[in-house]
Amino acid sequence: QVQLEQSGAEVKQPGASVRVSCKAPGYNFPPSHIHWVRQAPGRGLEWMGVIKPNGDFTRLAQKFQGRVSMTRDTSTDTLYLDLRSLNSEDTAIYYCARELGETKKFDQWGQGTLVTVSS
Amino acid sequence: QSALTQPASVSGSPGQPITISCTGTSSDIGFYNYVSWYQQHPGKAPKVIMYNVNNRPSGVSDRFSGSKSGNTASLTISGLQGDDEADYFCASHTAISTYVFGSGTRVIVL
Repeated sequence: QVQLEQSGAEVKQPGASVRVSCKAPGYNFPPSHIHWVRQAPGRGLEWMGVIKPNGDFTRLAQKFQGRVSMTRDTSTDTLYLDLRSLNSEDTAIYYCARELGETKKFDQWGQGTLVTVSS
Repeated sequence: QSALTQPASVSGSPGQPITISCTGTSSDIGFYNYVSWYQQHPGKAPKVIMYNVNNRPSGVSDRFSGSKSGNTASLTISGLQGDDEADYFCASHTAISTYVFGSGTRVIVL
């Protein structure tokens, strides 16, 4: 049973970068896509992108292209979300979520990581 | 990609049915039968309660059902219960292999 464990809360200044991690032991057996979803305070869910099981392909929502990277470390079964050039609108809870195979549903979620962008 | 459109809130008395709509376009909801629904209680991560329009994950109450017509999907909760009070989000796979979520609906149990 894959359990997604995310890194702790972060406070960043505008213009900085942040890295959020998602430890997903066994996520590649069976192969799972890992998606990143964020939720601004009091707002809805926003899909950011996905990293495929073998880690060599990512697909990002258009608004994040050029500012977001999604990577993985196979030695530790950890996925990473890097977000650059932060602004106040990036203040949100960031979730990693698993899609098992091509099931088109997010059946496991991390606990969320609060990123606050403030000067 | 604009968010799918959901009503801001829906309310009902215990035991009554309610339906939440989710309207998209021919490039998302209307393109595939890959609509899913998520329930989110305050301070918690979302939980999937419906996928591929009308499939319930194991362990989800059969009081939840899903449907789709054209570019609009719907989630029905029959026999509303107190624990159903939460935020509900629809999501759809899109024609360009991305995902889009709905704007969210607050369900209020009167």
